[in-house]
Amino acid sequence: GAGVSQSPSNKVTEKGKDVELRCDPISGHTALYWYRQSLGQGLEFLIYFQGNSAPDKSGLPSDRFSAERTGGSVSTLTIQRTQQEDSAVYLCASSLWGQGAHQPQHFGDGTRLSIL
Amino acid sequence: QQQVKQSPQSLIVQKGGISIINCAYENTAFDYFPWYQQFPGKGPALLIAIRPDVSEKKEGRFTISFNKSAKQFSLHIMDSQPGDSATYFCAASRGSTLGRLYFGRGTQLTVWP
Repeated sequence: GAGVSQSPSNKVTEKGKDVELRCDPISGHTALYWYRQSLGQGLEFLIYFQGNSAPDKSGLPSDRFSAERTGGSVSTLTIQRTQQEDSAVYLCASSLWGQGAHQPQHFGDGTRLSIL
Repeated sequence: QQQVKQSPQSLIVQKGGISIINCAYENTAFDYFPWYQQFPGKGPALLIAIRPDVSEKKEGRFTISFNKSAKQFSLHIMDSQPGDSATYFCAASRGSTLGRLYFGRGTQLTVWP
């Protein structure tokens, strides 16, 4: 079966431009997570979706970052007015929802974002 | 601050040897501790996970040891192989945070043939 799909795989853009990153989770997975991985750092949580709602947005680093999920499936992460410090690999993960039980998170291969 | 601390940052092991990676945490509310393996250009993949009600979990050559009183857990890779060369991340989460994972900074493992 298909895993978590992210697009684009690579994105190079100029400082100040807006970017949209897409995540297509595993079919049937109601939980969806965005993480950011910077060079030499671990994975940093950004936002969590359960269905179309986002009960935890606490990891978004600034108001330039936003995310939405429609139809309980595809999610887009938008970064407005990009800055050089936004350069990182943005990873999406999805999981089943286990009513409080921990379900394995399955990751996509990420979008490598480079801000010139 | 870093909720999960991981060491060493890098590790070089001879083929057939044992690789050991250590993690420590402070938040006693954590109740799920997974390990992820990541190859270059790929996303992390779940390797093995443990809950605090057991002290050890083994899957093939991979073993997690968990010390609840010390708030430490470790990954042991027995009979390490060159194909195990990757970056390994420990993580932790608690049920109240709806599955959000707190990751260590990773250990780059190199296994020499």
